[in-house]
Amino acid sequence: NAGVTQTPKFRVLKTGQSMTLLCAQDMNHEYMYWYRQDPGMGLRLIHYSVGEGTTAKGEVPDGYNVSRLKKQNFLLGLESAAPSQTSVYFCASSFSHTNTEAFFGQGTRLTVV
Amino acid sequence: RKEVEQDPGPFNVPEGATVAFNCTYSNSASQSFFWYRQDCRKEPKLLMSVYSSGNEDGRFTAQLNRASQYISLLIRDSKLSDSATYLCVAVMGTGGFKTIFGAGTRLFVKA
Repeated sequence: NAGVTQTPKFRVLKTGQSMTLLCAQDMNHEYMYWYRQDPGMGLRLIHYSVGEGTTAKGEVPDGYNVSRLKKQNFLLGLESAAPSQTSVYFCASSFSHTNTEAFFGQGTRLTVV
Repeated sequence: RKEVEQDPGPFNVPEGATVAFNCTYSNSASQSFFWYRQDCRKEPKLLMSVYSSGNEDGRFTAQLNRASQYISLLIRDSKLSDSATYLCVAVMGTGGFKTIFGAGTRLFVKA
């Protein structure tokens, strides 16, 4: 019962470096999301996808790109990391986006120095 | 003003106490509401959905007041294992997609 799996779990980047976070879900969910969580801010939606091949901007999309080439995978890219992107990143998936539960991955702790 | 606001706490209560959290939301178009629980350094997990008629799950009761735009969570007979952060969530279901999480309320239950 894998559910939602994120890799990596921890990462330290230097300013300007790039990286990709991978999210994989095995529940056949159409909807997938990337959030960041910062102290006192709650979870903020970065990008989301309503199905394979589709992506859309969330609340805080700047500095991030995403791709959903396969239904089970949702990738989050940082092209040029900045210290302001130090955060905990959570991926989630759900059957729909209203009255159903969102399942979260275990999170990726990213530090940009 | 944040779209979903919660008292950050922390709430420190003894075992067996009853504790209530409130959450207010600013967008009257919000359609769905949830409470999630998040343990320290873990991912959020759904605790319960919130319905207009109110709903109860064991020791937990959730209420929605659309007129005043607030959601509440009541925990009765608190257990040590209830110690966590409780996140309030409002979802807009039409004309676009938007899920807003509150910053969370921390609860510590002590023996």
